[in-house]
Amino acid sequence: DGGITQSPKYLFRKEGQNVTLSCEQNLNHDAMYWYRQDPGQGLRLIYYSQIVNDFQKGDIAEGYSVSREKKESFPLTVTSAQKNPTAFYLCASSIGLKEAFFGQGTRLTVV
Amino acid sequence: GEDVEQSLFLSVREGDSSVINCTYTDSSSTYLYWYKQEPGAGLQLLTYIFSNMDMKQDQRLTVLLNKKDKHLSLRIADTQTGDSALYCCAERRRGSQGNLIFGKGTKLSVKP
Repeated sequence: DGGITQSPKYLFRKEGQNVTLSCEQNLNHDAMYWYRQDPGQGLRLIYYSQIVNDFQKGDIAEGYSVSREKKESFPLTVTSAQKNPTAFYLCASSIGLKEAFFGQGTRLTVV
Repeated sequence: GEDVEQSLFLSVREGDSSVINCTYTDSSSTYLYWYKQEPGAGLQLLTYIFSNMDMKQDQRLTVLLNKKDKHLSLRIADTQTGDSALYCCAERRRGSQGNLIFGKGTKLSVKP
């Protein structure tokens, strides 16, 4: 079945650590996105990529980094520079300007 | 103000119709979407409407778009307890490179 897979579902990070969230899709979509969701807020765009080896910052890119070496994969690294990383992270992909499909999310908690 | 606004909560009785409203500010929006989110899960696309349409119906779901007022609504007929979830409105703007702008979501509670 085609879809978007995020892993892990739950992730714990110690202060000062970098962690990487995985996002893989087998939908053959060109575009991929990372959003962050906090309680009582709408989804906010972190980074997006329209094509392999190219990506752009979203509204809240500070403290995050991404790579897009393969069409299927768009990993997100939460660096130690991100001061408030505890949140629910959602990856999405789309083709053209149509609807975006989402993964099941990764909940990151700082311990 | 927010780019996309929604009421935060809606409570209905099972079997009634639910109407979830959304307002947006950018007249260049091309597509408007409704997503459903269960607790701890990703977003599931329910339906979408292109900006040159007024209405779209899909089984129990009816989407109405008033471009003049920049108002979008989602009507769920015969609401069931399984419809309880967070409903997020989103817009895609012309020239946005595909990014979606989301509202905060409306939490729908369906009472038996």
